[in-house]
Amino acid sequence: ELKVEQNPLFLSMQEGKNYTIYCNYSTTSDRLYWYRQDPGKSLESLFVLLSNGAVKQEGRLMASLDTKARLSTLHITAAVHDLSATYFCAVGNNDMRFGAGTRLTVKP
Amino acid sequence: DAGVIQSPRHEVTEMGQEVTLRCKPISGHDYLFWYRQTMMRGLELLIYFNNNVPIDDSGMPEDRFSAKMPNASFSTLKIQPSEPRDSAVYFCATLLGAEQYFGPGTRLTVT
Repeated sequence: ELKVEQNPLFLSMQEGKNYTIYCNYSTTSDRLYWYRQDPGKSLESLFVLLSNGAVKQEGRLMASLDTKARLSTLHITAAVHDLSATYFCAVGNNDMRFGAGTRLTVKP
Repeated sequence: DAGVIQSPRHEVTEMGQEVTLRCKPISGHDYLFWYRQTMMRGLELLIYFNNNVPIDDSGMPEDRFSAKMPNASFSTLKIQPSEPRDSAVYFCATLLGAEQYFGPGTRLTVT
């Protein structure tokens, strides 16, 4: 069974700092997703990574995928308060499995 | 497009009652998923359909749960009878190609 592990589960950062969230998964998969969820809200798609070495960037967030290591990273550059949210990775084609989420708090 | 539409947005019911959650997918999206989110178990895939046909229901927790997709525009998730441990947020999502879109969710509270 596919298992997805995220770390850290909780992350408190100062504004302006950089940090990386990690997503490891247990079996080969063609797709990896990153989502953002604000409290009480639905999930917002951030990135879809479809191939080994894929890198995508949007604003202060950059996601990468290493299918050989079964690892994806979500890198945050110069964090701002608006990035405070819970971030999920998910792996799979149609039967997706989600990580537990990383609750990010960015402090001024 | 209005996106994935779910109703009701909030549902409070008593244990033993039947609960029906509804989802209207984005037109043209051929996959539909039902997820459940709780603090304890995170996000769980319950069931998904392709072209209105159930493909994998291995995530449905027990026989009290059932889902249907009678046509491309509508799906339901039914819990009968409901129990307090069913309290969660239930999301419907659709997929086109590699992009998945989530609905706003239904927050279910069973007392």
